[in-house]
Parts: sequence; C-alpha cells; structure tokens
Amino acid sequence: IQMTQSPSTLSASVGDRVTITCRASQSISGWLAWYQQKPGKVPKLLISKASTLESGVPSRFSGSGSGTEFTLTISSLQPDDFATYYCQQYNSNSRTFGQGTKVEIK
Amino acid sequence: EVQLVESGGGLVKPGGSLRLSCAASGFTFSSYSMNWVRQAPGKGLEWVSSISSTNEYIYYADSVKGRFTISRDNAKNLLFLQMNSLRADDTALYYCARRFVVQGRGFDFWGRGTLVTVSS
Repeated sequence: IQMTQSPSTLSASVGDRVTITCRASQSISGWLAWYQQKPGKVPKLLISKASTLESGVPSRFSGSGSGTEFTLTISSLQPDDFATYYCQQYNSNSRTFGQGTKVEIK
Repeated sequence: EVQLVESGGGLVKPGGSLRLSCAASGFTFSSYSMNWVRQAPGKGLEWVSSISSTNEYIYYADSVKGRFTISRDNAKNLLFLQMNSLRADDTALYYCARRFVVQGRGFDFWGRGTLVTVSS
C-alpha cells in the first residue's frame, strides 16, 4: 500500500489553520496514524485510528477520514508546531509511511 | 520509565552484515509488537520490518525482503535486526518502536536510533 501526502511543504503563519492530506493506494479502513518529527528528534505519535488523539497532544490537532483519504488539521498553528508530519498506514502486512509534509514559517 | 535503546550500528562495506539490537525496559515487552523504522540522512521515515508479540506475524518492506531478518527474545526483552547483503541505500538511522496492537494505536514509543553507514 502506497501513502501519498500533500503538500510536501507548507508555508504558514502562527494562528493559521493548516490541513495536510494523506491518500492511500487502497482502502485502509481507519488504520492510520499521524506523527510529528522535529529536526534531530524522534518521531512523536499524535493520532491513531485516523482520529484518536494521543494523550498529551494539544486539542488543536485533529484527524479525520477513512478508506483512502485522510486529513490532519491544526486549527491554530503555534510556534511549536513547525515540524515535519508523516502519516502511516497499519492496515495491511506493511506499515507504510507517507513521504512527509514539512510545515515551515511563512 | 519506558526505554528502547538501539545498538549495533556502525560502518560496514557494501555486501557486509550487521546485527542491530534494541533493549526494552519499563513495560511488558512481550505484550507489544515491535518494529524497525529507518531514516536516511535528510530523508523521510521508511518502515523496515515488524514482528508480533509472539512471533506469529513477521513483515518486511520490499526493499529489505530476503536480506534482513527480524527476531525477538521476550525472555530478555530484546529485539534484533539481522542485516545481510548491505547496500549503500541501506545507510540510515535505524529506530526501534513499539506498538500495542490491542489498542489499535500507532508506534507510540521510539528509541533514539542507531546509525548504519554502508560505504567502501
């Protein structure tokens, strides 16, 4: 299963609403996770099962979707949110990641 | 405190072998599926391999199938990745990560990684 994220890079300002899209090459039901990674740091799990927020993750993050199309939304971008975001499917006999979306300061 | 500590990385020539280890502590290792994920310098995350809690299910990325072997020792809380026939494009930081399958979550805890460099 291939995972395609868009856009690859996103320039935004603090306070902006940001949406990242992840598409699967075939249905993965709701078995999708989102991660945040900052430079030199370990990836951090934000969302599991497409929309379940992990403990401690700010409520400005939300996930939605099922089947083949999914979105990660940050309702009001904060300085700490500038990072690279990855989706990952875990439906099949693989655990494929998307190529990543870098959220940059505009 | 949950800990995953990878080791075994280093510089190896093309065609060579390495065995990575991941030592787990602070949680019930035998209840979690375990995974290897790699990240080439400046690149994105690439899933490598997964093993279920009881070794029943083992999966590999196509890029490593037939060359890499994942295994685990639940008695010693250890995860392994045997890497053979290494190529330059295997150069990456290799992370181990856990997943609690019953809860349907993603990879909720990661080690800090061990660097593998394949070069002549």
